[in-house]
Amino acid sequence: DSGVTQTPKHLITATGQRVTLRCSPRSGDLSVYWYQQSLDQGLQFLIHYYNGEERAKGNILERFSAQQFPDLHSELNLSSLELGDSALYFCASSVSLKGQPQHFGDGTRLSIL
Amino acid sequence: GENVEQHPSTLSVQEGDSAVIKCTYSDSASNYFPWYKQELGKRPQLIIDIRSNVGEKKDQRIAVTLNKTAKHFSLHITETQPEDSAVYFCAAPRGASGGSYIPTFGRGTSLIVHP
Repeated sequence: DSGVTQTPKHLITATGQRVTLRCSPRSGDLSVYWYQQSLDQGLQFLIHYYNGEERAKGNILERFSAQQFPDLHSELNLSSLELGDSALYFCASSVSLKGQPQHFGDGTRLSIL
Repeated sequence: GENVEQHPSTLSVQEGDSAVIKCTYSDSASNYFPWYKQELGKRPQLIIDIRSNVGEKKDQRIAVTLNKTAKHFSLHITETQPEDSAVYFCAAPRGASGGSYIPTFGRGTSLIVHP
């Protein structure tokens, strides 16, 4: 158990819909990273929050947004879903801004029908 | 930005053999190199990491070596066991604005250990 909690574990929805994925970091960790993992793309960095502020963006689509709340949990919002958004979405937390090391949650498997 | 190449993409060994996975990176400022093990359908788990001020680090059957001049680092697993079968990912950070570091992951190596 990494101490990072992600909900839900599985999500099945249809194209055009909107979903929210949730991540609670390990106790004491201020950094939250979001990643997308699909079969042909490996682990792709989406966005990084530190202590409530966005600190870095990766290959995150405009249809996706995220935030980190005062209690440090984070949410990733995916809207206007497309078939290609089907993937495993991981969050990882770290105590530091540098994110070294990172501890991953168990992920949310998103399936778009 | 950082580019990380990982080889081989698949590695098949017999139980008891050694396995070596190599990654090369492009950003000479990178200073932290973790390795993750991911079993099918599960989360990536950090198994070992190394910082740029050392050349080698060991943890039981696992070791990582770093060559900063050549910009490559390798994962060594000795006396492999079937439970070592998984996908292994390397990563190298690149600096972002405001002091943040973004890890760039290799594409992964599928290690298969045959009993």
